[in-house]
Amino acid sequence: GAVVSQHPSRVICKSGTSVKIECRSLDFQATTMFWYRQFPKQSLMLMATSNEGSKATYEQGVEKDKFLINHASLTLSTLTVTSAHPEDSSFYICSARFLAPAGELFFGEGSRLTVL
Amino acid sequence: AQTVTQSQPEMSVQEAETVTLSCTYDTSESDYYLFWYKQPPSRQMILVIRQEAYKQQNATENRFSVNFQKAAKSFSLKISDSQLGDAAMYFCAYRSYSGNTPLVFGKGTRLSVIA
Repeated sequence: GAVVSQHPSRVICKSGTSVKIECRSLDFQATTMFWYRQFPKQSLMLMATSNEGSKATYEQGVEKDKFLINHASLTLSTLTVTSAHPEDSSFYICSARFLAPAGELFFGEGSRLTVL
Repeated sequence: AQTVTQSQPEMSVQEAETVTLSCTYDTSESDYYLFWYKQPPSRQMILVIRQEAYKQQNATENRFSVNFQKAAKSFSLKISDSQLGDAAMYFCAYRSYSGNTPLVFGKGTRLSVIA
């Protein structure tokens, strides 16, 4: 099946710094990727839709200047958390749509961000 | 907007027994996909089963099967012969048929399997 790789799996940073998370589709091209955020013991909440070659579409309430998304190629989308604060600590998961099986999205392994 | 509701925050089942997880959804669309995903402690999202709304036949994958009731907007997951490895969070999810649309998730059901 299609493989989506996410890196890093865990990252710890200091408040005020920026952190970049990469999401790669390893064996297929993904024109669209989705970024989710998951708090402990909660569900996945969509943050934004990343489209190759164009601006990302952010969900209501998600600060686009804080969560910068870049989808510069058909196999790579990046999420940069800028000026990180402790409340940004969370689990971030990306997913990408593969053409077949129809409708299925494949997920990366997730990235756990801890902001001190 | 579509919504997905999982009314059982936690469920438990004895090993080798059968358990059913409930899911209802709300949509005005006629064509869509429904999914059940498993999230073990590793937090990797694993697809368990998929149902296309236009198919009347319920999907099955080995020990996993669904009861899809389109008119009632219900999509329950049945796990037969439960195994210890089935213990995880289970998320029901909806996806529109058209375009590059994301998954909409329910809040999840935590399943425990008792040896």
